Formats: sequence, structure tokens, C-alpha cells
Amino acid sequence: QQPVQSPQAVILREGEDAVINCSSSKALYSVHWYRQKHGEAPVFLMILLKGGEQKGHDKISASFNEKKQQSSLYLTASQLSYSGTYFCGTWGNNNDMRFGAGTRLTVKP
Amino acid sequence: EAGVAQSPRYKIIEKRQSVAFWCNPISGHATLYWYQQILGQGPKLLIQFQNNGVVDDSQLPKDRFSAERLKGVDSTLKIQPAKLEDSAVYLCASSTPGTGWTDTQYFGPGTRLTVL
Repeated sequence: QQPVQSPQAVILREGEDAVINCSSSKALYSVHWYRQKHGEAPVFLMILLKGGEQKGHDKISASFNEKKQQSSLYLTASQLSYSGTYFCGTWGNNNDMRFGAGTRLTVKP
Repeated sequence: EAGVAQSPRYKIIEKRQSVAFWCNPISGHATLYWYQQILGQGPKLLIQFQNNGVVDDSQLPKDRFSAERLKGVDSTLKIQPAKLEDSAVYLCASSTPGTGWTDTQYFGPGTRLTVL
């Protein structure tokens, strides 16, 4: 089962914050976040392995609520370079990665 | 460290023709994945290899798609015959073998297939 991402798209001005959500109807073992720029390969951002875990680097962080089967990606003080499509990948009982449909983020000057 | 290599980068074919894609994973990565990414959607797993054995091919349309991994390194994905709905980007990814759910997958640049 594919995870559901929201919102589908978001437009920000430089310096603004954004939150991207990822939810699953099934129990999750891990959540993986990727960013993909147009015409390029998805680039790994971070992996969350257990409930309650929070991770971050630079101004991008994420949390994983295992009980709610949800994860959120937080982008703080966005930069132009943050533009792209963000995908969450979830690993559950299927024993494989299922990706959401993506959230298109556009950061404008 | 070299990343995942894929070729060709672009391919245009007529429906009912055959096509093959090649992937060379990151050195030392025993696990290799093929994904199909249709425009506007997230990647969909087609097949996963551990060394040269198939771990998961439950979403591979086996009537027309086939894949192999020679000697546990390079891999090829073939479509025969192609249909219009096969137009997509085919992504290859690799990871070091672990538990699966803890493994970080590194993606190649993909092959954009257009079926006319």
C-alpha cells in the first residue's frame, strides 16, 4: 500500500517554513525521505527507524510517529536550493519500499 | 566514490518493440532495485535482487518484463514487447545488504523511456 503525502504542492518564499506529511494505513518499520529535482535521480535525505525518532541536518528535519504511522518533514528558513519534489518511502510488512506520490516544493526569491 | 550508473539515459521506441536497460550499482552494494516512475508519481518497485538472487518481484509484469543480475553486479531490465503505458523513467538503486528497512538506497540517474 502506497503512503499518502500531503500537501501535493506548496509554494514558498525564501526564508519561509514548510511541513510535508506522510501517512500509512499499515504498520511501519521505517520511513525514508528523498528529494528529486526535475530530470534527476532521487537523493537520500534521511531515514527514521523507530517511533519518536527525530533527525535533522542543516535546516531540514523529520519526525516519525510510529503509533500513528505518520512522518513529517520540516523545512525551516527555506532556500532556493530546497525546490524539488519530496518523496517519502515507507517500509512495512510487505518487506519492500513503497513511495508516496510526492510533494512538489517551489521556493521563490 | 562512483554512484549508480545507468544507460542509456533516453530511449524512444515504437510499441511492440523490445528495449533493455543497464545498471551498474555502487561498488560493494549487494542489493539492487529496479523502479518504474511514471510522470507525476513516486517510484514503484519492480524487482529487488540480493547478489544475483531475486528477493521480490511481486510487482514486475512478468508477461513482458524480465530482469537479471549477472554475477551479482550489473543488471539488465528488459521489456518485450513494449506498450504505451510503459513510458516512464526506469530507476536503478543499490544498497549495502542489511535488514532492508534500515538500508539507504542510492539511485542512479534513470532511463527515460518513451513508447510511441
